[in-house]
Amino acid sequence: DAGVIQSPRHEVTEMGQEVTLRCKPISGHNSLFWYRQTMMRGLELLIYFNNNVPIDDSGMPEDRFSAKMPNASFSTLKIQPSEPRDSAVYFCASSTLSSGYNEQFFGPGTRLTVL
Amino acid sequence: DAKTTQPTSMDCAEGRAANLPCNHSTISGNEYVYWYRQIHSQGPQYIIHGLKNNETNEMASLIITEDRKSSTLILPHATLRDTAVYYCIVRVSNYGQNFVFGPGTRLSVLP
Repeated sequence: DAGVIQSPRHEVTEMGQEVTLRCKPISGHNSLFWYRQTMMRGLELLIYFNNNVPIDDSGMPEDRFSAKMPNASFSTLKIQPSEPRDSAVYFCASSTLSSGYNEQFFGPGTRLTVL
Repeated sequence: DAKTTQPTSMDCAEGRAANLPCNHSTISGNEYVYWYRQIHSQGPQYIIHGLKNNETNEMASLIITEDRKSSTLILPHATLRDTAVYYCIVRVSNYGQNFVFGPGTRLSVLP
């Protein structure tokens, strides 16, 4: 298995531009999580989906951020318009929806720089 | 979910055991202890988890005190590749829920 796939790995953009981050979860996993990591705030959850349905988006900073999961194998995180304070590493993770413990598998992350 | 307290940083000599403590004094009966680590520039990686009993896998051992108010992650023979930030997380094991990551412990394995 290729693991969680994220693209792009690096993104540099200018303030005001739209940014779209992409994630392909591990096949068979039906929970998907978007995290953001910065030096100041550490690793924080933005939103997560179960069976393609958003369950908790309380971590989404503001209306500029939106996330979709149109099917079980693809999710996007969009920032429009982007701002310099959005610069961070964005991680996608997936896990199975099963009772008991659920190990989350993280992707390699997308390093976003907004100038 | 119960809060956890970990030392900010620790050093360990290569080849020696690394013992990483975690306090979770407000843990409730149905909460598990999870450990993840994050090697520089990579996504977090699951290490081990437990409820009451001590656990061991190919990566590490987890020792949970009898009152479950603290635990220790043990890397038996630390290598330079074990240098990472280690996160102790306590949460109910309901499916499809997120993990809340604190600042963790930065472990430096020294040659």
